[in-house]
Amino acid sequence: KNEVEQSPQNLTAQEGEFITINCSYSVGISALHWLQQHPGGGIVSLFMLSSGKKKHGRLIATINIQEKHSSLHITASHPRDSAVHICAGPNGGSQGNLIFGKGTKLSVKP
Amino acid sequence: EAGVAQSPRYKIIEKRQSVAFWCNPISGHATLYWYQQILGQGPKLLIQFQNNGVVDDSQLPKDRFSAERLKGVDSTLKIQPAKLEDSAVYLCASSLASNEQFFGPGTRLTVL
Repeated sequence: KNEVEQSPQNLTAQEGEFITINCSYSVGISALHWLQQHPGGGIVSLFMLSSGKKKHGRLIATINIQEKHSSLHITASHPRDSAVHICAGPNGGSQGNLIFGKGTKLSVKP
Repeated sequence: EAGVAQSPRYKIIEKRQSVAFWCNPISGHATLYWYQQILGQGPKLLIQFQNNGVVDDSQLPKDRFSAERLKGVDSTLKIQPAKLEDSAVYLCASSLASNEQFFGPGTRLTVL
C-alpha cells in the first residue's frame, strides 16, 4: 500500500511570495496528482504528472521518480490561491484507485 | 462540458437515521469513485465502479454502507444506519479508464 506524506500541513504566505509544497510517497507510481480544494467546494485537479515538470500559469509541478518526491510551486502567490492543496498517488491496488495525502492548507495574505 | 454532479450538497441527520447521496458522472466516463473525506484528512476511497461493476470496495464499511450503479451511469451511496463518525464530505469522482479524475462538489453530511 502506498503512503503519501505532505509538508507542511499549514502554510501562511504574503501575497507575491514563492510557495513550495512537498509530497513524498513510499511505492513506485506511474503518475502523481496534485489537487486543490477550496473551503466548502469540491476538488479540482491541477496536475497529473509521471515525470519531469509541468507548468500551468503560476503553478509548477515537478516530480522525481527515483526519489519518490514531488513538489508544487506557486509563483507570485495571490490570496485566491488560498486553499488546501492535496497530492495523491496510486494505491497500488486497482487501477485509478488513489491514496491522498492529508493536504497542505495554504493561506495567502494580501 | 458538464462536470460531475452531486446532490444534496448538505445533509443533516440524527444518528441511526438513513441517508442517500446521488452522483451523476461526466458523460462517457466509465469509472466512478466514491470517497469519504473526514475534516482535516485527505479523501479515502470507499468504492470504485467500472461501468456497473464494482472494482474495489475493500474500504467500504459494508455493515452500514452500500452503493450501486445499476445502469453504469448514475450512482447512489447509502448509509443505514448512520453513526456520528460518518460526519464527513462524500465526494464522487469520475474518469475515463484510469486517467485523471474529475471531482464533484461533494455532499457535506452532519450526523447529530
